[in-house]
Amino acid sequence: QSALTQPASVSGSPGQSITISCTGTSSDVGTYNHVSWYQQHPGKAPKVIIYEGSKRPSGVSNRFSGSKSGNTASLTISGLQAADEADYYCCSYAGGSTPYVFGGGTEVTVL
Amino acid sequence: QVQLVQSGAEVKKPGASVKVSCKASGDTFTRHYIHWVRQAPGQGLEWMGLINPYDDTIDYAQRLEGRITVTRDRSTSTVYMELSGLRSEDTAVYYCARERAVAGKDFDDWGQGTLVTVSS
Repeated sequence: QSALTQPASVSGSPGQSITISCTGTSSDVGTYNHVSWYQQHPGKAPKVIIYEGSKRPSGVSNRFSGSKSGNTASLTISGLQAADEADYYCCSYAGGSTPYVFGGGTEVTVL
Repeated sequence: QVQLVQSGAEVKKPGASVKVSCKASGDTFTRHYIHWVRQAPGQGLEWMGLINPYDDTIDYAQRLEGRITVTRDRSTSTVYMELSGLRSEDTAVYYCARERAVAGKDFDDWGQGTLVTVSS
């Protein structure tokens, strides 16, 4: 199972919106509605910010939103803040011999 | 509160094995699938395996089959991940993570991570 494809880096100014793409295949993102997104600050464990494609866990800001179209999932961060500087990873359920696959990660920089 | 507490850092020689523990509190041990995810230095996340708390069935990443073993000890509410035949590329932070209940297929709580260094 190949890793999902994410851009290596995305940047934006405070207050702007950015979108991170996560491209998989018809065997993972395209078939299952189980895409999750994780935020990871340096030296910390990942934290889930979106699950089941578009649901936000309790306590996660509504500035984070998720969507999916075909084999590509997306994470949008609106009203970008300095605290949003982190690495972001997508993950999809894929069934089969390796049932979970992560994206390579995207470094978000707030200019 | 903290649900998953992992064992401390390890240094191992190539070819050796390492066993990392993950103690679960509350209903985490009995009601949630526990997964293992690792992250090599400066790299992304890699899913390694999981254990089903209801029947102890396991599922492993195909590329780690034959080297990884995940087990549970009900008496101590602890999940273990053992990786054998260690190579330098196994140097990573190893995380246990809890799957959201009701087959959520995402990871809603994580351990603090355990650094495993493989070096001669």
